[in-house]
Amino acid sequence: EPEVTQTPSHQVTQMGQEVILRCVPISNHLYFYWYRQILGQKVEFLVSFYNNEISEKSEIFDDQFSVERPDGSNFTLKIRSTKLEDSAMYFCASRARKGNTEAFFGQGTRLTVV
Amino acid sequence: DQQVKQNSPSLSVQEGRISILNCDYTNSMFDYFLWYKKYPAEGPTFLISISSIKDKNEDGRFTVFLNKSAKHLSLHIVPSQPGDSAVYFCAASPDTTSNTGKLIFGQGTTLQVKP
Repeated sequence: EPEVTQTPSHQVTQMGQEVILRCVPISNHLYFYWYRQILGQKVEFLVSFYNNEISEKSEIFDDQFSVERPDGSNFTLKIRSTKLEDSAMYFCASRARKGNTEAFFGQGTRLTVV
Repeated sequence: DQQVKQNSPSLSVQEGRISILNCDYTNSMFDYFLWYKKYPAEGPTFLISISSIKDKNEDGRFTVFLNKSAKHLSLHIVPSQPGDSAVYFCAASPDTTSNTGKLIFGQGTTLQVKP
């Protein structure tokens, strides 16, 4: 069964460092997302990406964040200068098409900023 | 800004009985609703969904009910099994016709099914 894969599963980084979280969405999907879940809190939308551009971003997704789909398969989230409060589980998701279709999530990357 | 609320943080039921998980929303523009199940250290797994034009959708042991006038949906699991023990998230999509399709999640309800 096709699935969304994320690497690494756990990333520890020092405050101020750049991190890149990687995702391989399901191959024929067109819509891509990043969400995050801070420990004990709800899953929050960060950004959506369609047709090689951001279609919507949340208030959390400030200038420190960027996304890229550098080739036909990978979808990355970059945090330029990490802060302690960026520590969270980051989930990538993809969706096949517009309309009433579910999003499929990866297993997540646990980011710990120290 | 809690547009999607799951007011019960936890629920415990006996194996074989019905589990009912509830979810309320505030935005009448939401037109698609989903339930996800999540185990620790894993991503959310899609369970079942319902469009705003329906009031019920069933898939095996899982049934989702939507009451648009009350802005309320519920997930029924019957019979409940110990393997159903997980965190259940309700999610809503504001506009499935846009190129966004973002999901707004509730806080989650931890279900424990006791053998």
